[in-house]
Amino acid sequence: KAGVTQTPRYLIKTRGQQVTLSCSPISGHRSVSWYQQTPGQGLQFLFEYFSETQRNKGNFPGRFSGRQFSNSRSEMNVSTLELGDSALYLCASSLVAGAYEQFFGPGTRLTVL
Amino acid sequence: KQEVTQIPAALSVPEGENLVLNCSFTDSAIYNLQWFRQDPGKGLTSLLLIQSSQREQTSGRLNASLDKSSGRSTLYIAASQPGDSATYLCAVSLILQGAQKLVFGQGTRLTINP
Repeated sequence: KAGVTQTPRYLIKTRGQQVTLSCSPISGHRSVSWYQQTPGQGLQFLFEYFSETQRNKGNFPGRFSGRQFSNSRSEMNVSTLELGDSALYLCASSLVAGAYEQFFGPGTRLTVL
Repeated sequence: KQEVTQIPAALSVPEGENLVLNCSFTDSAIYNLQWFRQDPGKGLTSLLLIQSSQREQTSGRLNASLDKSSGRSTLYIAASQPGDSATYLCAVSLILQGAQKLVFGQGTRLTINP
């Protein structure tokens, strides 16, 4: 069974631009969660989607948004990028909603210049 | 507010030693606790999941224990190998602001010296 895949793996953007990251969950998994990981703050929860609906949201500004498609694939969008948005963005999938056992993808490394 | 703490932040031991990583959490009303491994610049690999009703889980050379009442979990690694070098994270699942979420510790960076 294929694992969680994330594209692209690396991105370099400049301040003010916007970016879209993609996540494909494990086949059969309907829940997708997104996390931001930085050296200073560690792993922080962004949001969770289940059946195309956002179930949970972390404490991030409205510049961070996401969506989930009918095939459970999810995208995350960050608008008006800031230097502090540079991070590893991780997506995790699980069979059911809520923080059941989660399986993580390799992440997308975003660098904002 | 749930806080998850991992001590020590970094640990270096010679190959072959048995070792214990610690994780503590402030709110005992958790659903489960998960241990992950993260290699530099990579995603997280799930190692063990302990449900709140369980006391321990084992997988190969790894054994994780959970004591909800004291807010502690340990990850025991037997006969350590250089390939075990990585950052180990624990995460607790609980209800926060009406929704179930994972809260992570900052991790323990483990180095196994050949």
